[in-house]
Amino acid sequence: GENVEQHPSTLSVQEGDSAVIKCTYSDSASNYFPWYKQELGKRPQLIIDIRSNVGEKKDQRIAVTLNKTAKHFSLHITETQPEDSAVYFCALRRKLIFGQGTELSVKP
Amino acid sequence: IAGITQAPTSQILAAGRRMTLRCTQDMRHNAMYWYRQDLGLGLRLIHYSNTAGTTGKGEVPDGYSVSRANTDDFPLTLASAVPSQTSVYFCASSFGLAGYNEQFFGPGTRLTVL
Repeated sequence: GENVEQHPSTLSVQEGDSAVIKCTYSDSASNYFPWYKQELGKRPQLIIDIRSNVGEKKDQRIAVTLNKTAKHFSLHITETQPEDSAVYFCALRRKLIFGQGTELSVKP
Repeated sequence: IAGITQAPTSQILAAGRRMTLRCTQDMRHNAMYWYRQDLGLGLRLIHYSNTAGTTGKGEVPDGYSVSRANTDDFPLTLASAVPSQTSVYFCASSFGLAGYNEQFFGPGTRLTVL
């Protein structure tokens, strides 16, 4: 069936560095790609999303890029801070499926 | 009630017992979902509902059933619990099933089946 592959599964960076998480998918009809952040013991919450008619979207220190031809989209976090430490999930909204998650650790 | 709530917060259950997880939203969302979250596997869809009176199967529906008698409530029932159903269960809702609708998640229910 349709799926979305998310990499890496874990990512450790120093405070102030950038972090990039990539998701690859197979559903050609997908047109909406959200990213969720889940802090330890909490619920997933939407942090940014992108529609298929744009290639990039930014919101302060986070950005998402989309390559529909290659069928992948990525989350970029710049100037990372300890409070960015969490698990991040990409999703294919049309298929109601999520990636396997990336555990980001930002070391002070 | 504000947003989406789940009950109970956590539960320890003996194998073979019946259990219903409750989910209620007050946002008048049409669509509701149940996901289970297991380490390394992300969130996997169990069942969903497009609108009151309709339900559909997700990726991992076996052993679970749902009902949607009204807009606000979407209970998930385990008819005869097994240890492999130990997981964290998240209910979610959105204005529509697909499109550009954000999914809002409940706080989760941590279920342990012994």
